[in-house]
Amino acid sequence: KAGVTQTPRYLIKTRGQQVTLSCSPISGHRSVSWYQQTPGQGLQFLFEYFSETQRNKGNFPGRFSGRQFSNSRSEMNVSTLELGDSALYLCASSRDRTSNSPLHFGNGTRLTVT
Amino acid sequence: GNSVTQMEGPVTLSEEAFLTINCTYTATGYPSLFWYVQYPGEGLQLLLKATKADDKGSNKGFEATYRKETTSFHLEKGSVQVSDSAVYFCALSDQTGANNLFFGTGTRLTVIP
Repeated sequence: KAGVTQTPRYLIKTRGQQVTLSCSPISGHRSVSWYQQTPGQGLQFLFEYFSETQRNKGNFPGRFSGRQFSNSRSEMNVSTLELGDSALYLCASSRDRTSNSPLHFGNGTRLTVT
Repeated sequence: GNSVTQMEGPVTLSEEAFLTINCTYTATGYPSLFWYVQYPGEGLQLLLKATKADDKGSNKGFEATYRKETTSFHLEKGSVQVSDSAVYFCALSDQTGANNLFFGTGTRLTVIP
C-alpha cells in the first residue's frame, strides 16, 4: 500500500511569489491535514480537510489556503511568500477524524524562500 | 490553551541503556496523547498512543503511560539500540479535532554502539 505522497520534494521561490504543494493520501483515507515544521516554531497545524471541506484551521494568516478534491487529494497554496515561510511542509492522512485512526505523514515538501 | 512541553535534547546514550524522554501537557478536557518518531530522511511515524487516563501505549519496546494526575506522558525504553536514533515528538489532540495535533519541540536521540 503506497504511503502519503507529497510533491514536489523541494521548492525554491522568491519573496512575493506564490506556491502550490500537492499531497496524495493513502488510498481509502478521507482526511488530509497539513503541518508546517520550522526549527524555531516546531510543528504547527495548518488545516485539515475531510470530504472536500475544511474542518479545522490553525493560527496562520489567510495567505495560507488549501483545498481537497473528490479523490481526497489535497493542495495547499501560499501566496505572497515571505522569508519566514521557509519550512518543511508535511501532509498527513487518516481514514477518518477519530483518535482511533492514526495520522500517516508524508516525507514533506521543503520550501525555501529567497 | 493546549500545549506540550518536552524534554530538551539532544540525548546521547550508549546501546542497551535505559531511555526516558519527559513529556508534560496542558489541555482542556480529555486529550489523546501520542509519541511520534522521525527517523533521518523520513516522515513522522506514529510510535504509540493513549486515549484515556491510565492507558499505556506500547510499541517496539517503547512504552508511555497517560498520567492525568501529573499531566504527563513520558516515553521509556528499557534497552535502546543504534536503530532507535531519531527525533521523538510528544503530541496531543483535543476534542476539537483528532487530526489537529499539538506537538512538543522534539527530542533528538543518538544511540552510540
